Amino acid sequence: ETGVTQTPRHLVMGMTNKKSLKCEQHLGHNAMYWYKQSAKKPLELMFVYNFKEQTENNSVPSRFSPECPNSSHLFLHLHTLQPEDSALYLCASSRKGTGGTGYTFGSGTRLTVV
Amino acid sequence: AQTVTQSQPEMSVQEAETVTLSCTYDTSESDYYLFWYKQPPSRQMILVIRQEAYKQQNATENRFSVNFQKAAKSFSLKISDSQLGDAAMYFCAYRSPGGGTSYGKLTFGQGTILTVHP
Repeated sequence: ETGVTQTPRHLVMGMTNKKSLKCEQHLGHNAMYWYKQSAKKPLELMFVYNFKEQTENNSVPSRFSPECPNSSHLFLHLHTLQPEDSALYLCASSRKGTGGTGYTFGSGTRLTVV
Repeated sequence: AQTVTQSQPEMSVQEAETVTLSCTYDTSESDYYLFWYKQPPSRQMILVIRQEAYKQQNATENRFSVNFQKAAKSFSLKISDSQLGDAAMYFCAYRSPGGGTSYGKLTFGQGTILTVHP
């Protein structure tokens, strides 16, 4: 365990379902991120939160809705997804301003949309 | 915007041998950080090694070392005495320094799958 916990580890959902991914860290980090990792593609940064405020949204479709109630928790709400949204979704955290420490990642949620 | 390129989709090495993974990047910044992450089948992204751009000395962590060529914008990873447990996807990553209101964005390359043969 790295200190960033993601649940669930696996999720299968239909295109009409609504589900949520959860990420939690107690490392004292103040920035949290959602990445999408698809086969044969680079990691795609989806959202960035600094001190609970969303600071970046990389043209992510509205069927993905992030929520950051506090600096330790980050959610990704999913609704009416498409099969191409099937991927590994990684959460990460960092301490803002300390570039040399990199990010700490969770183990990801493997999402399959059927 | 910064870009990171890993030109080797797959590499293989014999156990106990040495392998080098390549990475190049593009940036206009003078101060930044570079990282190699390892992602085994468990999916956990594990930090392997990091390099500060203002340091000329190449970083080393046990069997892992880098060849950092700032002028050429090259950052290769050398794994010595390869072990079966080194088999994984390896990602090169660039991070802006951050500070102030900036969070220091981390940009990844496409990844290199490393296979270790016994």
